[in-house]
Amino acid sequence: RKEVEQDPGPFNVPEGATVAFNCTYSNSASQSFFWYRQDCRKEPKLLMSVYSSGNEDGRFTAQLNRASQYISLLIRDSKLSDSATYLCVVNMRGNKLVFGAGTILRVKS
Amino acid sequence: DADVTQTPRNRITKTGKRIMLECSQTKGHDRMYWYRQDPGLGLRLIYYSFDVKDINKGEISDGYSVSRQAQAKFSLSLESAIPNQTALYFCATSEDSYNEQFFGPGTRLTVL
Repeated sequence: RKEVEQDPGPFNVPEGATVAFNCTYSNSASQSFFWYRQDCRKEPKLLMSVYSSGNEDGRFTAQLNRASQYISLLIRDSKLSDSATYLCVVNMRGNKLVFGAGTILRVKS
Repeated sequence: DADVTQTPRNRITKTGKRIMLECSQTKGHDRMYWYRQDPGLGLRLIYYSFDVKDINKGEISDGYSVSRQAQAKFSLSLESAIPNQTALYFCATSEDSYNEQFFGPGTRLTVL
């Protein structure tokens, strides 16, 4: 089993749609969780951290479910510019981050 | 200017050649990392360093070596390149293990 698993997609959605991604992780002792965004052939960049209480940043909402060991990312009112690969990232062993393989989102007009 | 820079940005080399990828950062972070990214596999950690005197192997260190020349510089070497080392390589830095990592723009390496 992979330490961090994501549905690779692609998710093809129309502009204005709401889309959600899930990510599962294997280590129940994990302490930090993140969503990164990666545009084609570019470096990953932090989209948002994921807190136990859940957090929202504009159209983006991240949630953590420790009991089931998954995190989610919800994107409302999708824009063409949201098209990218979304990476689930988990701090699993205290010293370094483990990256999921990513979920591809394509928003179409 | 970018906070994390990598050179070269693209490199094509032949099997058996030695190659060095360089990373510099201006963020003042102690922690630096080297990753490789392959399609469908995500980023995998090659080596990481928590300060100039600290070097640690990641999950896929075989065939690679690193040097931390200064707080701001961390280089990755392939002593004898092979085709399955063809990948996109990223350097990253962070203040600590629990917060954001900042990535360089990547080096696209092709080994023929």
